[in-house]
Amino acid sequence: DSGVTQTPKHLITATGQRVTLRCSPRSGDLSVYWYQQSLDQGLQFLIQYYNGEERAKGNILERFSAQQFPDLHSELNLSSLELGDSALYFCASRLGGAGELFFGEGSRLTVL
Amino acid sequence: GENVEQHPSTLSVQEGDSAVIKCTYSDSASNYFPWYKQELGKRPQLIIDIRSNVGEKKDQRIAVTLNKTAKHFSLHITETQPEDSAVYFCAAGHSTSGTYKYIFGTGTRLKVLA
Repeated sequence: DSGVTQTPKHLITATGQRVTLRCSPRSGDLSVYWYQQSLDQGLQFLIQYYNGEERAKGNILERFSAQQFPDLHSELNLSSLELGDSALYFCASRLGGAGELFFGEGSRLTVL
Repeated sequence: GENVEQHPSTLSVQEGDSAVIKCTYSDSASNYFPWYKQELGKRPQLIIDIRSNVGEKKDQRIAVTLNKTAKHFSLHITETQPEDSAVYFCAAGHSTSGTYKYIFGTGTRLKVLA
């Protein structure tokens, strides 16, 4: 158990819909990272927050947005969903700086 | 832009043989290089890491080497076992805009044949 909690674990929805994925980081961790992993693909960096502020953006689509709340949990919002958005979405956290990223179990999104 | 290339994409070895996975990074500011193992359907987990002020690090059957000049780093697994079968990801980390960013390679699917 990494201490990072992601909900929901599985989500099936239709094209054009909107979903919200939630991440609770390890206790004390200030940094939250979101990654997308499509089938048999690598980990694509989406976005990073540190203590409530957006700090880095990767290949995140305009249809996607995220935020980190004062209690440090983070949400990733995916809208106008397309079939190609089907993937495993991982959240990872750490205190800050260089070192081990602790990954959650992921949220598997299936868009039909 | 920032990029980490990882090779090979798949690797099959006989049990007991060694496995080597190689990565190349593009950002010279990268100073932290972790390796993650992801078993089927599970989350990535750190197996070993190395910082830019070190050339080599070993932990039992696993070792990582870093060549900063060439921007290469490699994972070496000796005496492979069936439980080593998984997808392995390298990553390169660097500070940017007051934060720390990690870029992952595309992964290597390792199969250890019994």
